[in-house]
Amino acid sequence: DIQMTQSPSSLSAFVGDRVTITCRASQGIGNDLGWYQQKPGKAPKRLIYLASSLQSGVPSRFSGSGSGTEFTLTINSLQPEDFATYFCLHHNTYPPAFGQGTKVDFK
Amino acid sequence: QVQLVESGGGVVQPGRSLRLSCAASGFTFRAYAIHWVRQAPGKGLEWLAVISFDGTEKKYADSVKGRFTISRDNSKDTLYLQMNSLRPEDTAVYYCVRGSSWDWGQGTLVTVSS
Repeated sequence: DIQMTQSPSSLSAFVGDRVTITCRASQGIGNDLGWYQQKPGKAPKRLIYLASSLQSGVPSRFSGSGSGTEFTLTINSLQPEDFATYFCLHHNTYPPAFGQGTKVDFK
Repeated sequence: QVQLVESGGGVVQPGRSLRLSCAASGFTFRAYAIHWVRQAPGKGLEWLAVISFDGTEKKYADSVKGRFTISRDNSKDTLYLQMNSLRPEDTAVYYCVRGSSWDWGQGTLVTVSS
């Protein structure tokens, strides 16, 4: 099974900061990776698909990059509504696997 | 728009069974594979199972294989998860998720406790 290692597990930031979150796959997954945002008590919302494609309706301050085993989610100019938990998901093979999540909160 | 509504959660004793449902609307249900994913309180997400668009292919996580069964009724636009021999560690919010686009329902809470 492919494992996803996500870092950091949490981070504190100011509004306006640039934030970077990383996921590493235990073996190559091409670009079969998505990034999700989850707020407390809510279902996850997809931000990025196929590693770097922006989901319709998602602000352009969110971007994804990477392929193979290393992937990055970047949030440029963090906004108050962006404080949430973020996680990656690979769907290259079964079973799909999630990263452990990164909680982004106020510094 | 795509809507997935889970139901059937609740409190159940260890060793008992429960069946979850997921009612779909806003898209052609019979054209999509559908997944079940769960999230234990304060924990990360765990993929559980997937069923093909026509119900002929099913895959399971090792943690639930032999205890949980995924099924669907395309005439009712509904997905099911039959959960048997429940354990306290099965306590979680259970989500149904549309394949390819990974659209999520709001989830239903299952609590396994005596």
